[in-house]
Amino acid sequence: AQSVTQLDSHVSVSEGTPVLLRCNYSSSYSPSLFWYVQHPNKGLQLLLKYTSAATLVKGINGFEAEFKKSETSFHLTKPSAHMSDAAEYFCVVSEIGRVIFGKGTRLHILP
Amino acid sequence: EAGVTQFPSHSVIEKGQTVTLRCDPISGHDNLYWYRRVMGKEIKFLLHFVKESKQDESGMPNNRFLAERTGGTYSTLKVQPAELEDSGVYFCASSPMDFYNEQFFGPGTRLTVL
Repeated sequence: AQSVTQLDSHVSVSEGTPVLLRCNYSSSYSPSLFWYVQHPNKGLQLLLKYTSAATLVKGINGFEAEFKKSETSFHLTKPSAHMSDAAEYFCVVSEIGRVIFGKGTRLHILP
Repeated sequence: EAGVTQFPSHSVIEKGQTVTLRCDPISGHDNLYWYRRVMGKEIKFLLHFVKESKQDESGMPNNRFLAERTGGTYSTLKVQPAELEDSGVYFCASSPMDFYNEQFFGPGTRLTVL
């Protein structure tokens, strides 16, 4: 059965430092994986997606994620955090017509 | 191009009342999805339309929830009668293709049942 685990409910980093948001998944098939971001009072916006092509996926706003099948992980990273990155981030698994969301990680950026 | 819109943005109702949420997908998107996030929990799938047909409604919590998509354009989600545990944020998303591709989300409707 599918599942998604976002290991941190809250992450705080200083502006200009690297960001790491962790996501582990389980899937019986070859899933598609996504990261979405939600800013306050806005809809979820796609950051990036993995669909069995390159394992290192580049997204918008300098974010990237690496699909590691051996570790069943799809962690989201960014080299240098910006104040505008403060939001809630969701890791999502999709397979055989079903979508599973992680519980979300709220990213706080310290000045 | 207009994005996915949802109406209302907030709704506060009494237990036992009826509420109807509306979603207007991006024009031309055949796939429409409803999701719900109860406070403190993850976002959960409710159902999936392809045009006007229900492709998958396995996530609907019970028969107090009724979703429709007449004409394959906008969709409504009716809760009747509402219960306290129905409170949460209801998201709608649309996509031109299936689950393996990006879904475009609306801002959500925050439903509070008192």
